Amino acid sequence: NAGVTQTPKFQVLKTGQSMTLQCAQDMNHNSMYWYRQDPGMGLRLIYYSASEGTTDKGEVPNGYNVSRLNKREFSLRLESAAPSQTSVYFCASSEALMRGPGDTQYFGPGTRLTVL
Amino acid sequence: GNSVTQMEGPVTLSEEAFLTINCTYTATGYPSLFWYVQYPGEGLQLLLKATKADDKGSNKGFEATYRKETTSFHLEKGSVQVSDSAVYFCALIGNTGNQFYFGTGTSLTVIP
Repeated sequence: NAGVTQTPKFQVLKTGQSMTLQCAQDMNHNSMYWYRQDPGMGLRLIYYSASEGTTDKGEVPNGYNVSRLNKREFSLRLESAAPSQTSVYFCASSEALMRGPGDTQYFGPGTRLTVL
Repeated sequence: GNSVTQMEGPVTLSEEAFLTINCTYTATGYPSLFWYVQYPGEGLQLLLKATKADDKGSNKGFEATYRKETTSFHLEKGSVQVSDSAVYFCALIGNTGNQFYFGTGTSLTVIP
């Protein structure tokens, strides 16, 4: 099993450009998440999808959109990139449809995005 | 609301030293608690977890005990190795809702 995969691994954009980060999981998990990781800030949740067909905002959703394409795939789109969106982006998935004790998140390797 | 506070790093230790990374939390109800580890250039991996008070999670020589009375989940290891050099994140999930809450991470460097 590949677990959680993300593409691309690295990306450089100019301010105002758009792009989509792709994420897929092969663990038949119900829930998927997008985080950004910035120095000194830990992980901050951008959006999540508790189940196929649903998406919800996290802590820092502004400037992003998401699509839960099917149970396996959850994409993150930047419509008009800004330097403040320079970060490392992680996708994660977890099994539970409704949160239960000990539900564990599994993370992808990350996408390193630089916006000039 | 829910939140996690963990000790700031970076932490530098000599090989075979004792490690403690402090983590305290704020949550309503009975959260589940986690430690994740992030090696350079990689995503986060689950290190250990505990789902109820007084549970002890353990893995690869690391341990953490869920202390409800002190709202803490401190990570310990008796003898660290160079290969333990990584960033460690404390996290919780509440017993309602779908969101995980992460601490800011503690960078550990172990020198030979």
